[in-house]
Amino acid sequence: QKEVEQDPGPLSVPEGAIVSLNCTYSNSAFQYFMWYRQYSRKGPELLMYTYSSGNKEDGRFTAQVDKSSKYISLFIRDSQPSDSATYLCAPRDSNYQLIWGAGTKLIIKP
Amino acid sequence: DAGITQSPRHKVTETGTPVTLRCHQTENHRYMYWYRQDPGHGLRLIHYSYGVKDTDKGEVSDGYSVSRSKTEDFLLTLESATSSQTSVYFCAISGHGTEAFFGQGTRLTVV
Repeated sequence: QKEVEQDPGPLSVPEGAIVSLNCTYSNSAFQYFMWYRQYSRKGPELLMYTYSSGNKEDGRFTAQVDKSSKYISLFIRDSQPSDSATYLCAPRDSNYQLIWGAGTKLIIKP
Repeated sequence: DAGITQSPRHKVTETGTPVTLRCHQTENHRYMYWYRQDPGHGLRLIHYSYGVKDTDKGEVSDGYSVSRSKTEDFLLTLESATSSQTSVYFCAISGHGTEAFFGQGTRLTVV
């Protein structure tokens, strides 16, 4: 079993919808949780990160961590075609290494 | 954008030849990483560095070596390229091991 599980999708939703992207993880010691966005043929770019449990909001994006259930979520409000990309979750372990999910491909249909 | 440059961006090489990929940063970040990304596998860590001349192996280090003689440069060498090393290679940098910033990637094809 992988340390971080993420549905690869693709997830296709209409423009303007609320998108929910999720990961589960197995290591209860993870404290930092990153979300990256990767456009086709580009390097991943950091969207946001959270520390421990709770929510963090940045514009249309909200990251949520529930450590009790080992569940990580990224919500996108008012989704736009430009949000079409692959989204990767990556908790950080105690050795400062990022443990990557496989990524979920998101398609926003105009 | 973080100042990170990978070269070359594309390369085709023959099986058995040595190949070196370069990562150059202008951010003076301590940590540097080499990943490969393949369909169905996501990002996998090859090697990383936590300072000049300080490097360590990642989960898929066999067949790869690295060197970091200056803060700004991190080299990845495929000693004798094989077709299984056909992949997209990403370099990443991090100042304190939390946020990582990625280069644009190098597409390597081994024929």
